[in-house]
Amino acid sequence: NAGVTQTPKFQVLKTGQSMTLQCAQDMNHNSMYWYRQDPGMGLRLIYYSASEGTTDKGEVPNGYNVSRLNKREFSLRLESAAPSQTSVYFCASSDWTSGGFNEQFFGPGTRLTVL
Amino acid sequence: AQSVTQLDSQVPVFEEAPVELRCNYSSSVSVYLFWYVQYPNQGLQLLLKYLSGSTLVESINGFEAEFNKSQTSFHLRKPSVHISDTAEYFCAVANSGGYQKVTFGIGTKLQVIP
Repeated sequence: NAGVTQTPKFQVLKTGQSMTLQCAQDMNHNSMYWYRQDPGMGLRLIYYSASEGTTDKGEVPNGYNVSRLNKREFSLRLESAAPSQTSVYFCASSDWTSGGFNEQFFGPGTRLTVL
Repeated sequence: AQSVTQLDSQVPVFEEAPVELRCNYSSSVSVYLFWYVQYPNQGLQLLLKYLSGSTLVESINGFEAEFNKSQTSFHLRKPSVHISDTAEYFCAVANSGGYQKVTFGIGTKLQVIP
C-alpha cells in the first residue's frame, strides 16, 4: 500500500498562474482533506470531503477549489496563484466509523512557491 | 469552537535528558486529543491519542502524554530522548461527535543535541 500520495512534490508558479495539486489514497477511506502548513501557524484546513460526492470549506478556503473525483482522488486547484499561497500543502485521508476517532493519514506534501 | 495552544515553539534538549512538550486546549464539548510528529520533509504521523479511558497514553517509542481535564492540558513527555527524536511535534484536538474537525497547534520543534 502506498498510503496517501501527492503530486507534484515541488512547484514554482508566477503570480496569476493556475495549477492543480493531486492527491490519491489507496486505503478505501471515505474522508479526505487538504491542509496548508505555514511557519508559526500549524496546519490549517482548506477544504475537506467527508465522503465521495461531498466537499466543504475549511478555515481558509479563499483562492482554492477542490474536486472529489472519486473515492480515491481529491484534487486542489489554485485558479490564480498569489504569493500568499506560498506554503506546504498536505493531503490527508481518514475513515469514519461510529464509536471512535479515526486517524488521519498524511501524504508527503507539496512545496509550492508563488513568485 | 476549539483551540490548541503549544507554549513552546522550540525546545532544545541534550541527548538522554528528559523532555516535556506542553499543550493546552479549549473546547466546549468532549474532545479527543492527539500528538502528531513530523520528521523533516515528511508528512505528519500520529504519535499517540487519547479517546477515553486511562488518562495516561503511551507510544511505541517511549513517549507518553497525560490528559488532565481540570487543567485542560495534554503534555507530551519522554524520560530520555534520542537524536532520532529530533522533529516537530503537533498537538491536536477533535470534537468527539459527528464529523471530527481536527484543530492543530502551531507545533514545537524538538532539537536533540548530541
